[in-house]
Amino acid sequence: DAGITQSPRHKVTETGTPVTLRCHQTENHRYMYWYRQDPGHGLRLIHYSYGVKDTDKGEVSDGYSVSRSKTEDFLLTLESATSSQTSVYFCAISVSWTSGWQETQYFGPGTRLLVL
Amino acid sequence: DQQVKQNSPSLSVQEGRISILNCDYTNSMFDYFLWYKKYPAEGPTFLISISSIKDKNEDGRFTVFLNKSAKHLSLHIVPSQPGDSAVYFCAASVAGAQKLVFGQGTRLTINP
Repeated sequence: DAGITQSPRHKVTETGTPVTLRCHQTENHRYMYWYRQDPGHGLRLIHYSYGVKDTDKGEVSDGYSVSRSKTEDFLLTLESATSSQTSVYFCAISVSWTSGWQETQYFGPGTRLLVL
Repeated sequence: DQQVKQNSPSLSVQEGRISILNCDYTNSMFDYFLWYKKYPAEGPTFLISISSIKDKNEDGRFTVFLNKSAKHLSLHIVPSQPGDSAVYFCAASVAGAQKLVFGQGTRLTINP
C-alpha cells in the first residue's frame, strides 16, 4: 500500500462541464503522475509532477490541466469534459531504488469517469 | 509510435501449467523493465522488474526474462493459479527519466 487515495472513485458528468479529480499521497513522494486507461491502449501518461508547482505534459495531455500546490495533492482538471475523456484515471507515485535511477511506480485505486 | 507492445490481448492457461506473457519494445535506450498486474476495479500493482544488466529475475512463481538483442521480455508464471487471472502490463523506462511507457496489456485467464 503506497498510501495513495483518489477521489471521487466514480463520477458521471455531462459534456462541457469542468471536472476535477484529486490524488492524495501520505508519504511525501516527489514524483506524481496521472494516467488514463482505455481498452487497447494500456496506460497512457497525461501529466506528471516533479515537485510543488512543477509539472509537465505526458503523451495525451490535450484537454487536461494539472496543479500541485502541496506535496501530497495532485489535481487533474478537465476544463470542459468531452465523451472521449470517458475513461478510468489512475494516479501514481514514483519510488526510486538502487541509487535513485531505477524507479518503480505505485498506483492509486482509480477513478471511473463517464462523460455523457 | 507504440514503443512497448504486448501483441497478445488475451491468453488462456490451465491451472498448474506455465503462463508466458510476452512484451516487445523498440527503444534501445530502455534499461529498466517492469510488470504490473491489474484486477478489475483496482489500480495496477507492481509485480516484478528487471534491469538491463541482467537477463533473468525471479520472485517466487514469477520470473522475468530479458533478451536485449531481440528487444523482448517475457513473464513466466509457474505454476499458474486461479488468482493469477488478471490483466498484465509490461512497462519500460530510461534511467533517470522518471517516466514509464506501458504496453497495451494482456488479459490472462487461468482455467480450473
